[in-house]
Amino acid sequence: GESVGLHLPTLSVQEGDNSIINCAYSNSASDYFIWYKQESGKGPQFIIDIRSNMDKRQGQRVTVLLNKTVKHLSLQIAATQPGDSAVYFCAENWGGTSYGKLTFGQGTILTVHP
Amino acid sequence: GAGVSQSPRYKVAKRGQDVALRCDPISGHVSLFWYQQALGQGPEFLTYFQNEAQLDKSGLPSDRFFAERPEGSVSTLKIQRTQQEDSAVYLCASSLGQTSFSTDTQYFGPGTRLTVL
Repeated sequence: GESVGLHLPTLSVQEGDNSIINCAYSNSASDYFIWYKQESGKGPQFIIDIRSNMDKRQGQRVTVLLNKTVKHLSLQIAATQPGDSAVYFCAENWGGTSYGKLTFGQGTILTVHP
Repeated sequence: GAGVSQSPRYKVAKRGQDVALRCDPISGHVSLFWYQQALGQGPEFLTYFQNEAQLDKSGLPSDRFFAERPEGSVSTLKIQRTQQEDSAVYLCASSLGQTSFSTDTQYFGPGTRLTVL
């Protein structure tokens, strides 16, 4: 079936730099997208979401961009901190009667060096 | 307020044994999801409950997997005759989910890491 994928499996940045994590999706019917952060031994933690009728949404130090033309999603983290080191997943909701179940991508490992 | 809790956090089973994994969702959350996460992969959907009704079990990999939520709160995922390929982290998530079309935020528990020897 269709799935969400990520361009880069690993990303290393210096503390204070901005980070960009990318995600490609293939299901044009998806209407809701979420970014989760997962630290070792923990469950995924909600970061930010965006609906398909938007192209940008900002949170605290994070911004999600949605490009429906090329089916691309990105997460921007400003002033990355060591505590941001984790695996980041994008997930999509296929909409309709999917009951909100999420389809996750493979994940990107973000490592922030002090 | 408490988040989603799961128990046990770790479970080691011998091949062929039955296991039961418990999920306590956030109080008042109507929707409950189970996901399976293999090492190095993203979570994959297993099943969904709206209150006590199991509305979607399309992700359950075999008839050895069974889930229930009899009173619409606590849920149990049971795996019978465990196999090595069942080794994974089993995640539970809950959301307010008032309707079948809900896109409410899903809050995840810490997961249960199952190892089948």
